[in-house]
Amino acid sequence: GAVVSQHPSRVICKSGTSVKIECRSLDFQATTMFWYRQFPKKSLMLMATSNEGSKATYEQGVEKDKFLINHASLTLSTLTVTSAHPEDSSFYICSARGARGNTEAFFGQGTRLTVV
Amino acid sequence: QQQVKQSPQSLIVQKGGISIINCAYENTAFDYFPWYQQFPGKGPALLIAIRPDVSEKKEGRFTISFNKSAKQFSLHIMDSQPGDSATYFCAASRGGATNKLIFGTGTLLAVQP
Repeated sequence: GAVVSQHPSRVICKSGTSVKIECRSLDFQATTMFWYRQFPKKSLMLMATSNEGSKATYEQGVEKDKFLINHASLTLSTLTVTSAHPEDSSFYICSARGARGNTEAFFGQGTRLTVV
Repeated sequence: QQQVKQSPQSLIVQKGGISIINCAYENTAFDYFPWYQQFPGKGPALLIAIRPDVSEKKEGRFTISFNKSAKQFSLHIMDSQPGDSATYFCAASRGGATNKLIFGTGTLLAVQP
């Protein structure tokens, strides 16, 4: 069964508003989670690494003030897209490693964000 | 050094045929090489993974071949089925739960009935 759950699967928001996406590890504790963005027919682009209890590490070119990441517990990380604009519309996916004592990376179901 | 190169970009295979996707990496510190399958609108799902201490790993119809000296690895899908039609991504990383995966560019596989 799924070990990483992401919610919501789809969200439509108005330009200028903020949207929060949740990522939960269901049966293991994830000290580190990863957030990706994927454009149509493209590969996964790592946005940031989320660390429980500390600040996220953002990849070069990713605006940390626009994409707020909070890793409040060992099973929950959130990505908030602030002041969303149509160009933020994309497929966002979270991932976590460390389930069942191994290093396999499992992914959430993804969130389709549409900003209108 | 961080790149993972994947080919082909797209692949069409007849039902029952063998699908082969290739990847190459540069960073010799990588020691974990997974393959993911992604259907439209879904997150990637782990198919099979290999570590550099073995040259081949097989799980059902899926086989990874690994060539450490050439820094290449490939996915073979035997007896390909229309349900295998999806996008496949190779990836590489150093082991450990805190290390990020470096993804290939993806291969869109279409298995024709």
